[in-house]
Amino acid sequence: AQSVTQLDSQVPVFEEAPVELRCNYSSSVSVYLFWYVQYPNQGLQLLLKYLSGSTLVKGINGFEAEFNKSQTSFHLRKPSVHISDTAEYFCVVYGGSQGNLIFGKGTKLSVKP
Amino acid sequence: NAGVTQTPKFQVLKTGQSMTLQCAQDMNHEYMSWYRQDPGMGLRLIHYSVGAGITDQGEVPNGYNVSRSTTEDFPLRLLSAAPSQTSVYFCASRSGNWGEQFFGPGTRLTVL
Repeated sequence: AQSVTQLDSQVPVFEEAPVELRCNYSSSVSVYLFWYVQYPNQGLQLLLKYLSGSTLVKGINGFEAEFNKSQTSFHLRKPSVHISDTAEYFCVVYGGSQGNLIFGKGTKLSVKP
Repeated sequence: NAGVTQTPKFQVLKTGQSMTLQCAQDMNHEYMSWYRQDPGMGLRLIHYSVGAGITDQGEVPNGYNVSRSTTEDFPLRLLSAAPSQTSVYFCASRSGNWGEQFFGPGTRLTVL
């Protein structure tokens, strides 16, 4: 069965610093991975997705993620964060059956001035 | 194009009461789903539907019912509310397996 593990529940960083949010997955079949973002008191929106092709995936708001099959990882990165990036980020894997998505437990990114 | 809409935004129930959370989408998406979000747990799938008249259980279906009589609407019914159902509920829809999943704004439910 597919699953994802987000290695950090909270990540505090200073504005303009780089950030990496870590995600490891387990899957016995082809892997399709996503990152979603949830701003405070809002719903979720798609940041980026990996279905196939290039292992470096670029998303919205300057975020990117790299699919690493040998390390079973899909870490999210941004070279310079802004206060407005403060949000909770979810790593998500396609669960296979009927296209269900399986969510990690989330990483809260807190950007401080 | 309103996307995915949910009502109500907030609700307080007493233990044992029943209610229906409404969800509608205007994007003609086949796939719709309900999740609950609890602190430190991520989102967990309650029920989902791959088209009108077709529903199935997700990871945490107990205490909830759904139906899908139209493509647009996918209501979630709590049969007899319990404090363990205090949560934030999100409805989502997408077109096909690889389409972007769009989420509603959520319903914050408290059961006393």
